[in-house]
Order: sequence, then structure tokens, then C-alpha cells
Amino acid sequence: DQQVKQNSPSLSVQEGRISILNCDYTNSMFDYFLWYKKYPAEGPTFLISISSIKDKNEDGRFTVFLNKSAKHLSLHIVPSQPGDSAVYFCAASGYSSASKIIFGSGTRLSIRP
Amino acid sequence: ETGVTQTPRHLVMGMTNKKSLKCEQHLGHNAMYWYKQSAKKPLELMFVYSLEERVENNSVPSRFSPECPNSSHLFLHLHTLQPEDSALYLCASSRTALGPQHFGDGTRLSIL
Repeated sequence: DQQVKQNSPSLSVQEGRISILNCDYTNSMFDYFLWYKKYPAEGPTFLISISSIKDKNEDGRFTVFLNKSAKHLSLHIVPSQPGDSAVYFCAASGYSSASKIIFGSGTRLSIRP
Repeated sequence: ETGVTQTPRHLVMGMTNKKSLKCEQHLGHNAMYWYKQSAKKPLELMFVYSLEERVENNSVPSRFSPECPNSSHLFLHLHTLQPEDSALYLCASSRTALGPQHFGDGTRLSIL
């Protein structure tokens, strides 16, 4: 059973608009969450993270929101740019086993002109 | 330049072959990881090394054997693999076992 779920395998957004990628988790012991971006034929690249003591973390065009009660996090990209087209992976870990990061199955984001 | 280099990028081998995947990081990190990514599945953590000691082994079959001779190098030795082992194998490193991981571009492995 997947502990980290990305229920939308794909998402298409117009350039300049906001992209919202969603992620749900089931393990309440998770307290550190990350988003990675992956281009074809490349390894995942770390984008942004958030710990459970926060509900929002912002880095330029990227903002991650965490709703602990709903066990839900989201990544907002605004404004969306063509170079944002990639697969985005949500990941989670607990400080008690921080090296053991559990990944979601990814959402393919396509930015259309 | 990702800082984490994996070789080879592609590998085709028979089920009776022995081969090794290599990972090298130039980031001064102390933790290194092997992941497996099969088609339409999430990344699966295989092994974790922290300060050259194996700290995690996720019930991986013994036909996969990791080796971490120093903090910059990580190997995955392969022996008598099965067709279901065909996948993308990704190496990653992090400054400590707590930090974000930096990934290599992976080795695409095909078992005939």
C-alpha cells in the first residue's frame, strides 16, 4: 500500500498560470516532505522541502503548503513557465528514519503556450 | 554537472552475467543511496550508506550487493539477475542522512 500518493498522473497548465500539484500521505509519523522535479533521461532534482512545524515554505516561484490534519501537501508554481514541464515527485520521511524517504509515483506537468 | 555521476548510463546483461554499477559524488556528502525505479512505479529505496556504514537494507534480494569503499563512491554489484530486475537504478547522496538528496542520472538496466 502506497504511503505517499499522487493521484493525478498528469496535469496540463497554460503558460503564465498557476500550477498546483497535490500529494496525500497516510503515515502520521512523516514529518519532513520534499518535492523533486525530473526531466527525461535525468535524475530527480530537489526543488523544495517543508518540515511539519511549518504549513508553508516559499522559494521564488515555488511554494509548498502542508495541511497536517488532512495529511495533504501541495506544490504551487506561479507563474508557470515552459521549462517547468517535467515529472514532479512528492516524497516524505520521518526524523526517526530520515534516510528512508518514500516517494510518490509522480505527476507529469505540461505547460502549454 | 549534477555532482553525482553514474556509470554506465545503459547496461544490457544476461541473467547469468555479473556486472557492477558505479556511482561517484563530488559534493562532500556523507550519505549515499541506491534506488530502483520500475515502469509506472514510485522510486523504491534499496540501500542507504551513512559514513560508509550500511544503515538501511530494504529487503533487497541478495543478487544485489552494495559496496561503499569510501564516502565518495558507491557500487551495486549484480549477479544472476531476473527479467523483473530491468529498471532504472538511481544513485543519490546527501550531506547527512537528514538532508535533501542529490540524484545521478541513473543506469538503465535491461536483463535479457
